[in-house]
Amino acid sequence: ELQLLESGGGMVQPGGSLRLSCTASGFNFRNYAMTWVRQAPGRGLEWVTDITGSGSYTYYADSVKGRFTVSRDNSKKTLYLQMNSLRDEDTAVYYCAKNILSSGDFYFDFWGPGTLVSVSS
Amino acid sequence: DIQMTQSPSSLSASVGDRVTITCRASQGISNSLAWYQQRPGKAPKLLLYGASRLEGGVPSRFSGRGSGSDYFLTISSLQPEDFATYYCQQYYNAPLTFGGGTKVEIK
Repeated sequence: ELQLLESGGGMVQPGGSLRLSCTASGFNFRNYAMTWVRQAPGRGLEWVTDITGSGSYTYYADSVKGRFTVSRDNSKKTLYLQMNSLRDEDTAVYYCAKNILSSGDFYFDFWGPGTLVSVSS
Repeated sequence: DIQMTQSPSSLSASVGDRVTITCRASQGISNSLAWYQQRPGKAPKLLLYGASRLEGGVPSRFSGRGSGSDYFLTISSLQPEDFATYYCQQYYNAPLTFGGGTKVEIK
């Protein structure tokens, strides 16, 4: 059974840092690009970043470029999101999502349940 | 960036109704469109991709059509479990972008 489980969310002050993890099971993790999508409270979905299956290439939304870093450890089947210099507007549920291919711009055929990041003083 | 505009933003309907949601892209996206369903407090779930291709396990009452910049999601006979928010997403160009969502509520 395919599973994605995010962890690492919580409350942090503006300017602080958090590291999210997403642990995968049930599929060949290294064969698929992975993505982080976020959803601010009561709002829609926003693509944040993605990483190719090999981890060689990464892409970021302008809103997080220079502050967030995506990485993956294929041996541990785990995706990471290092978030630095957090702002109030980063408050959201963060979902990891499995892409349908190892690279390229596509859609997501499975999502984790999400982890809440709350940035507040 | 390609802007995705969904309409309506919300609608009220009854069980058994036929419902259609519109998604308009700011430019042509050559059927590079996916639809997701999100129930309250849950993760999005893929319904359709390629504008009209049904994801495995999704009921056939869901269908999609469209071309160019205009796309439509139709639920032929609304069921109680279909009351949710629906999002379109284009994957024609980076950055990937989503519509603002359409909340389907019980009348």
